[in-house]
Amino acid sequence: NAGVTQTPKFQVLKTGQSMTLQCAQDMNHEYMSWYRQDPGMGLRLIHYSVGAGITDQGEVPNGYNVSRSTTEDFPLRLLSAAPSQTSVYFCASSSGIWAPLHFGNGTRLTVT
Amino acid sequence: DAKTTQPPSMDCAEGRAANLPCNHSTISGNEYVYWYRQIHSQGPQYIIHGLKNNETNEMASLIITEDRKSSTLILPHATLRDTAVYYCIVMEGGAQKLVFGQGTRLTINP
Repeated sequence: NAGVTQTPKFQVLKTGQSMTLQCAQDMNHEYMSWYRQDPGMGLRLIHYSVGAGITDQGEVPNGYNVSRSTTEDFPLRLLSAAPSQTSVYFCASSSGIWAPLHFGNGTRLTVT
Repeated sequence: DAKTTQPPSMDCAEGRAANLPCNHSTISGNEYVYWYRQIHSQGPQYIIHGLKNNETNEMASLIITEDRKSSTLILPHATLRDTAVYYCIVMEGGAQKLVFGQGTRLTINP
């Protein structure tokens, strides 16, 4: 049981490049979400999903796209990377709306 | 904005109980209090949550005041591995909308 797996662990992009951050969970959780964490700050919600085919915006959605075609996977896409998107990105899942979140170990993204 | 207020940092001696306070004076009747911690740069780890009653699990105890305006997380016998940032969070509309504040940086000293 791997829990929540994020890939890659580290990534460096140039401004304007695109990429997809991968997130997979093997716990059959319906709820998945993406957060970003900037230095010295708490986590901020980017997008979330309550099940396959259903996504919604969080606090800071601009510049990011998501889709949920399967229960297991919830990728986060950066269409045109900007230096302001330099951050640590965490994916999380939970079994229900009030259930605790299980987090991955993050993807550290630097945009130059 | 986060709906909780926590001290930015605390120290505790190894083997002692660590008591981390949290103020959530605007909490509504159906909102839960959740505690997570983040060790170094890892993903946050769930600790405990509660609504009205005190709760205990293998990691910690959660004491919620009767008026629900504040709570205390208790780590009964702190170890060096408990050094982390601890986040007190009030649920906003479901698990996918957790609002993280600045948290308390707890340092356990040998």
